[in-house]
Amino acid sequence: AQKVTQAQTEISVVEKEDVTLDCVYETRDTTYYLFWYKQPPSGELVFLIRRNSFDEQNEISGRYSWNFQKSTSSFNFTITASQVVDSAVYFCALSGVKGVKTSYDKVIFGPGTSLSVIP
Amino acid sequence: NAGVTQTPKFRILKIGQSMTLQCTQDMNHNYMYWYRQDPGMGLKLIYYSVGAGITDKGEVPNGYNVSRSTTEDFPLRLELAAPSQTSVYFCASFALGQGETQYFGPGTRLLVL
Repeated sequence: AQKVTQAQTEISVVEKEDVTLDCVYETRDTTYYLFWYKQPPSGELVFLIRRNSFDEQNEISGRYSWNFQKSTSSFNFTITASQVVDSAVYFCALSGVKGVKTSYDKVIFGPGTSLSVIP
Repeated sequence: NAGVTQTPKFRILKIGQSMTLQCTQDMNHNYMYWYRQDPGMGLKLIYYSVGAGITDKGEVPNGYNVSRSTTEDFPLRLELAAPSQTSVYFCASFALGQGETQYFGPGTRLLVL
């Protein structure tokens, strides 16, 4: 069965500190996708990144970076020099691949990590 | 582009009533999804569609139905509302090979009393 674990329920950091959000997943699929989403206090959902299981290169986008390690089934998310606007709930998610055509199967979300950045 | 729009924003239903949550996207995306988010929890996939005329069950499909007669619209139907369906419902769309960004609607808050 597929499962996503985000062991950190809540994290508080002081502005400008770096913070890493952990994500550990379980799947028997050899091909799968991993995602990160952000949900600020206003409630909307913002897609941050999608990574397929064949691409273990780390990704950097501005202050955000992602470390995908298949050997430990982890897809961790680091925010460098955190800002108050980074305060949100962050979700990690996992999807299998269905059929011959590359398409998503069921998407399983982790429980989320609530990040508070204190000024 | 308006992106993904959802109506209504908020609705109160009595137990046993029916309603349809509307979702429309104007980006010509083939993939569309319905999620529910219970308070303090992550999202659970209800149904999804990979194109017009094709739908499939997600993690929690019981009590819901969907249809996808056009690329743009993906309505979610609740036939007999139950208190357990009190939640925030998000619709999302995505297109493979087009930047790989998943777009979410603003959500519909549903309260079943």
